[in-house]
Amino acid sequence: QSVLTQPPSVSAAPGQKVTISCSGSSSNIGNNYVSWYQQLPGTAPKLLIYENNKRPSGIPDRFSGSKSGTSATLGITGLQTGDEADYYCGTWDSSLSFWVFGGGTKLTVL
Amino acid sequence: EVQLVESGGGLVQPGGSLRLSCAASGFTFRSYWMTWVRQAPGKGLEWVANIKQDGSEKYYVDSVKGRFTISRDNAKNSLYLQMNSLRAEDTAVYYCARDRGRTAYDYWGQGTLVTVSS
Repeated sequence: QSVLTQPPSVSAAPGQKVTISCSGSSSNIGNNYVSWYQQLPGTAPKLLIYENNKRPSGIPDRFSGSKSGTSATLGITGLQTGDEADYYCGTWDSSLSFWVFGGGTKLTVL
Repeated sequence: EVQLVESGGGLVQPGGSLRLSCAASGFTFRSYWMTWVRQAPGKGLEWVANIKQDGSEKYYVDSVKGRFTISRDNAKNSLYLQMNSLRAEDTAVYYCARDRGRTAYDYWGQGTLVTVSS
């Protein structure tokens, strides 16, 4: 059971938009930055969003992040088949004194 | 170009020990926190431990406290994870990652597989 809760799976058609939620508490999301990672099959995770809504260099603006209270959301627009991957949210938990990841969400582009 | 290359994984019996290494290049290693993250087969990501730039602060997930030790050698641009009293549930791909100071992990290695089995 992960400290951060994500839906196990989401799906949408190519070209459409999808959102992935990440729910936590005041000890983690509520008082710390959230980041998002994409893991393509058989590869290492890749940073997509940091500090709630910032994109590293090279990440297209189709990917966006937001945070409100104790929840965060990853948005992906203009879906492509290459976006099929597992997506993870993560943040520091001030009560546990360690980093926590969500359980991951598998994105299927139909 | 930032590169992180893990090594040291392999097959080990329950109760055994293993030392993982992560060789860093392309950035000023001594300026960054560093982290180990693992992923059991078919499962999600699990944060394992991190270490401050000078090694003065270390944090561990509860499940490895007292068994794993994170360390670093800034002169060698290397990160380590000493794993003792290994259990079957420690079987995973272990990744090292550059830590943006508890806000995100911006570069990851390719991972090294640790299998704990008799």
